Amino acid sequence: QVQLVQSGAEVKKPGASVKVSCKASGYTFTSYAISWVRQAPGQGLEWMGWTSGYNDQTKYAQQFQGRVTMTTDTSTSTAYMEVRTLKSDDTAVYYCARGWLNYYYGVDVWGQGTTVTVSS
Amino acid sequence: DIQMTQSPSSVSASVGDRVTITCRASQDISSWLAWYQQKPGRAPRLLIYAASSLQSGVPSRFSGSGSGTDFILTISSLQPEDFATYYCLQANSFPWTFGQGTQVEIK
Repeated sequence: QVQLVQSGAEVKKPGASVKVSCKASGYTFTSYAISWVRQAPGQGLEWMGWTSGYNDQTKYAQQFQGRVTMTTDTSTSTAYMEVRTLKSDDTAVYYCARGWLNYYYGVDVWGQGTTVTVSS
Repeated sequence: DIQMTQSPSSVSASVGDRVTITCRASQDISSWLAWYQQKPGRAPRLLIYAASSLQSGVPSRFSGSGSGTDFILTISSLQPEDFATYYCLQANSFPWTFGQGTQVEIK
């Protein structure tokens, strides 16, 4: 079955970086895209960006441009998201989700989420 | 950026009730809207894509309608497992944007 398995919880200090992984299985990785969505405690869903599993095309939400990098490793069917210069309000659950290369359809399958806590 | 305004922010309903949730886009997004259900501590789950297409495995009591700027998610007969928060997502253009969510609570 289609599955996205994310890396484990992280605790980081302000100013540090975090890299979250998302390993896909059960489908052809290069035929789909991966989006990243985060959810701060008690808050709604916030779209962060989209990366193609087929080529290097990537789209970021403006508020993350320059501070977030999304990459893929097709040899291992794994997507990565790195957030640099962490702040306390980056504390959130980060989700990866599978989407279509034709991005109009949004996302269907979600990872289990990775909790990132930023605290001094 | 396209703004998605979801209403109501919360609704109290009883098992068996019909529930409707609305999402309004700040500009025309054609039919490129999806609906998700999220339960506490869980990842969201896709219910509806392309405004009205039911995702495989989702009960038929869920339905979606609308196009352009106005969209509706309908739960025809609320079940105990439907108490959750619902979000719309516009995927017409980047950046994608979510509605702020609607919490469906037990009356």
